Amino acid sequence: IAGITQAPTSQILAAGRRMTLRCTQDMRHNAMYWYRQDLGLGLRLIHYSNTAGTTGKGEVPDGYSVSRANTDDFPLTLASAVPSQTSVYFCASSPDSSSYNEQFFGPGTRLTVL
Amino acid sequence: EDQVTQSPEALRLQEGESSSLNCSYTVSGLRGLFWYRQDPGKGPEFLFTLYSAGEEKEKERLKATLTKKESFLHITAPKPEDSATYLCAVQAPETSGSRLTFGEGTQLTVNP
Repeated sequence: IAGITQAPTSQILAAGRRMTLRCTQDMRHNAMYWYRQDLGLGLRLIHYSNTAGTTGKGEVPDGYSVSRANTDDFPLTLASAVPSQTSVYFCASSPDSSSYNEQFFGPGTRLTVL
Repeated sequence: EDQVTQSPEALRLQEGESSSLNCSYTVSGLRGLFWYRQDPGKGPEFLFTLYSAGEEKEKERLKATLTKKESFLHITAPKPEDSATYLCAVQAPETSGSRLTFGEGTQLTVNP
């Protein structure tokens, strides 16, 4: 099935634990993104990658890291989770980073940090 | 700093009652304005991209328009299945990583 998959669907995590959210796309898109969505704040960009091997910081990168070892995968890691990282996380991709391509979103991961 | 403001926050319509959603934006050098639909518990689904003032795009009961300061999403004769949150986003120049800046959305409910 073409598109973006995210895992896990949801997770409850103790504060201080390390967690990796997985994102895989099979559309051979060059650009990938991680957003978090919070009530009253909308979707905010955490990190992005314009192509495999490169990453960049978005609007709210603190406490998160990413890697892009290949085209298909873009994992997001919380090194030491804190309650303020409780959110719904969406991975997205686009054919490239130009403004002429819409971003396609995955189904999201609902993360609760206690 | 890029800003996107959507209004109203929530809108209730009767089936067949047409209306419009507003997206006001402030961005230095708009490269694209995007409309998405989001159903509860799901990721945003792409609807339209608009690039320049005066541009219009249509899809079924939806029509998006763009001016230099705002965009409208017109919904004609809506049906209950049009109920969703509609998100507007602007794209900044390439130097910022082509990030999308989103508004908080308009939650639309269409009653039968």
